[in-house]
Amino acid sequence: NAGVTQTPKFQVLKTGQSMTLQCAQDMNHNSMYWYRQDPGMGLRLIYYSASEGTTDKGEVPNGYNVSRLNKREFSLRLESAAPSQTSVYFCASSEVEAGTDTQYFGPGTRLTVL
Amino acid sequence: GENVEQHPSTLSVQEGDSAVIKCTYSDSASNYFPWYKQELGKRPQLIIDIRSNVGEKKDQRIAVTLNKTAKHFSLHITETQPEDSAVYFCAAKKAGYGNKLVFGAGTILRVKS
Repeated sequence: NAGVTQTPKFQVLKTGQSMTLQCAQDMNHNSMYWYRQDPGMGLRLIYYSASEGTTDKGEVPNGYNVSRLNKREFSLRLESAAPSQTSVYFCASSEVEAGTDTQYFGPGTRLTVL
Repeated sequence: GENVEQHPSTLSVQEGDSAVIKCTYSDSASNYFPWYKQELGKRPQLIIDIRSNVGEKKDQRIAVTLNKTAKHFSLHITETQPEDSAVYFCAAKKAGYGNKLVFGAGTILRVKS
């Protein structure tokens, strides 16, 4: 099993450009999440999807959109990138119904917006 | 909503010493408290967790304690080794909110050999 995978690993954008971060998991998990990680601020939830077909805002959703394409895939889109969105983005998945709450993280995408 | 505070922000210990990281949470309805370890340039990985019906949990050199009355929980690492050097994050989750975790800001642990 690959677990949680993310593409790309690195990306540089200019202000105003758009891009989509891709995430996929092969653990048959129902729930998926997008976080951003900034120095000294821990992991902040952007959006999450409790199950296929549902998405909800997290703590810092402004400037982002998401799509739960199917059970495996959950993408994050930046429509008009801003320097404040420079960060490391992590996707995660979990299976609450199995009685566990462990979130498994992807390797991250390091995004720089100039 | 839930707020999680984590202290200290940095911690340096000598190899073989113990390290303790503390977190406080604001919402008494939170019932699940995991700890994640993140090595430089890598993804966060769960190292131990505790549920609100348990006061302490151990796994080899790592232990977590929970005080529900005071709303705080702590990570204890004994006999620290250089490979314990990493950033550690605590988190809290409230029942009925899917699996949304609220993370602390992290503690940089440096183990000096």
